[in-house]
Amino acid sequence: GAGVSQSPRYKVAKRGQDVALRCDPISGHVSLFWYQQALGQGPEFLTYFQNEAQLDKSGLPSDRFFAERPEGSVSTLKIQRTQQEDSAVYLCASSLAGQGSNQPQHFGDGTRLSIL
Amino acid sequence: GDSVTQMEGPVTLSEEAFLTINCTYTATGYPSLFWYVQYPGEGLQLLLKATKADDKGSNKGFEATYRKETTSFHLEKGSVQVSDSAVYFCALSFPNQAGTALIFGKGTTLSVSS
Repeated sequence: GAGVSQSPRYKVAKRGQDVALRCDPISGHVSLFWYQQALGQGPEFLTYFQNEAQLDKSGLPSDRFFAERPEGSVSTLKIQRTQQEDSAVYLCASSLAGQGSNQPQHFGDGTRLSIL
Repeated sequence: GDSVTQMEGPVTLSEEAFLTINCTYTATGYPSLFWYVQYPGEGLQLLLKATKADDKGSNKGFEATYRKETTSFHLEKGSVQVSDSAVYFCALSFPNQAGTALIFGKGTTLSVSS
């Protein structure tokens, strides 16, 4: 299909390890969002890209979290020195247009991260 | 800050029953309002939306009306089916602002039995 693709679907890591989560948005979508969804909670905003520019990273919980989208397409969310509280589902969403648009966000199935 | 509050679940209904899931919001300004649904094992899908006061969003038999006076966007369906069993999220965003990130409620689990 042509939806948002995230990989891996599941990731288990030991505390202290670094992890990288990948998001492949819908082709041609300008905007890309990352959200964190803790168990039993709604998704919470982490960061936003418009093409390759990271315009908002106010939701990143600490400097251990880093996201990039170097060519304005695929994005990677990296978490360094993982902690147990990082265990969550990480969702990626993309939308067709950028700022000022009312285009809907299309979500991937998420990556479920478990830190042991 | 801006926030969304929705009724806690789980909501358990028999097939063909009437469904209401309450959602209220707090926002500075005039947000767009959304209902997203997450079926078991799947990602979030947009169910319906409304962009201004008194707008009614509808899809798959579900409806919600943007009520500015009560800051509410309650989800309703006249006759639920087993296939409607899912987690429902109410959300808001400000599409005229940079990033238009969604602010979600905690979600309400709906379980429909035959």
